[in-house]
Amino acid sequence: AQTVTQSQPEMSVQEAETVTLSCTYDTSENNYYLFWYKQPPSRQMILVIRQEAYKQQNATENRFSVNFQKAAKSFSLKISDSQLGDTAMYFCALNEGKLIFGQGTELSVKP
Amino acid sequence: GAVVSQHPSRVICKSGTSVKIECRSLDFQATTMFWYRQFPKKSLMLMATSNEGSKATYEQGVEKDKFLINHASLTLSTLTVTSAHPEDSSFYICSAKQGAGVNTEAFFGQGTRLTVV
Repeated sequence: AQTVTQSQPEMSVQEAETVTLSCTYDTSENNYYLFWYKQPPSRQMILVIRQEAYKQQNATENRFSVNFQKAAKSFSLKISDSQLGDTAMYFCALNEGKLIFGQGTELSVKP
Repeated sequence: GAVVSQHPSRVICKSGTSVKIECRSLDFQATTMFWYRQFPKKSLMLMATSNEGSKATYEQGVEKDKFLINHASLTLSTLTVTSAHPEDSSFYICSAKQGAGVNTEAFFGQGTRLTVV
């Protein structure tokens, strides 16, 4: 069965600094996608970034980038130039047909 | 992105009654919909997957007779919590996608906070 593990329940970062959220996963499939979602206090799920397992190049979306290590089954999220609006729960997710989420990391950006 | 509307956003019901939550895809046809349950500051736990016109597939440990899921059209799925009890109080979130491929993005509803008193 597929699993997704986020080992950092809480993290904090100073505004304008860089922070990395970690995620590991397990799957027996070769074809899958990985995602990072943001859930602000409104609890609306927002897609931050996605990575196709077949692509070696790490995905980047503006200030957000990932470090995808397929052999190690690791998928970390780096947030550069952190902003107050980045404060939220962040969930790593694995999609091999259905979307399975990690436990989440609560990120606080401090002024 | 596509819009998924979930209704109601908040509901309070008495213990023993049933409550229905609707999930609608407003601008696309959702061949697959998912229902999740989330406790405060916890992960989203997948409850079931529903495909239009067929029976829902429930995750292990989820009572299918208690959480009735209907996906009667390509734009609407409903979750009915039957004979609700206080332990069913939670935040329920639906998501919808067009197509079954792993690369298809899932769009999320706003969630429903259910309180059973």
